[in-house]
Amino acid sequence: QVQLVQSGAEVKKPGASVRVSCKTSGYSFTSDDINWVRQASGQGLEWMGWMNPDSGDTGYAQKFQGRFTITRDTSTSTAYMELRGLKSDDTAVYYCTKAWDSWGQGTQVTVSS
Amino acid sequence: QSVLTQPPSASGAPGQRVTITCSGSNSNIGNNYVYWFQQFPGTAPKLVIYRDDQRPSGVPDRFSGSKSGTSATLAISGLRSEDEADYYCASWDDSLSGREFGGGTKLTVL
Repeated sequence: QVQLVQSGAEVKKPGASVRVSCKTSGYSFTSDDINWVRQASGQGLEWMGWMNPDSGDTGYAQKFQGRFTITRDTSTSTAYMELRGLKSDDTAVYYCTKAWDSWGQGTQVTVSS
Repeated sequence: QSVLTQPPSASGAPGQRVTITCSGSNSNIGNNYVYWFQQFPGTAPKLVIYRDDQRPSGVPDRFSGSKSGTSATLAISGLRSEDEADYYCASWDDSLSGREFGGGTKLTVL
C-alpha cells in the first residue's frame, strides 16, 4: 500500500532553517507529483509548492519564493522540503502529499525563541 | 484571504443532504479542476473528490462533486455522524501560478 512517512517534530529558533523528509513507498516515486501543504493550529490548509520527482521540476507559492525549496532523492524515494529564515508564524504542521490522494502523517514545526 | 470562498460552517441532520459551495473565478475554478478534502481534527486531509466530480475508490457514493462556471459544490447525501469534519476545496489558479485552498467549511451533523 502507498505510504508517505514524514520525519519527526522540530523546534527551531527564529531565523533558523528546517528540513522535513517524506519517505514514500508502495508506488513508483517518479510517477506522481509531490506537494507540500502546511496548516497552522486552528487554521486552514496552505499550499507551499510542488515537485515532479521524475524531472525535478518545482513550483512554489509566491509567498514562499526565495526561502522554500523542495528536493528529492530518487534512490530512496524520498522528498524533502526546506524552509529558511523561520519566523514564529511558520509554526505549523507540514504535510507532504502524493497526487493529493495520499498524505504523510504531518510534521509539527515549532518556531520559538 | 483565499481566492476560493467557502462558507465557514454547514450543518444537517442525519439522513439529510447537505451541500458546500466553493466560489472562485475564471483564473481558478472556471479553468481548472476542483478537488475536495475531508479533514478530522489532528489528522491529515483525505481526498474525497478529484477533477471536479470524480470519487476516489473507497469514498462512499454519498459524496458527489459538481461544477458550474466559477463555482463548485460538494454534496453529501444520507448524512452520517462520521461525516462531521472540516471540508476544503482546492484548485489551481492561473493568475497566481499556484494551488489555492478555500478557507474550509466545518460540517456539523445535528
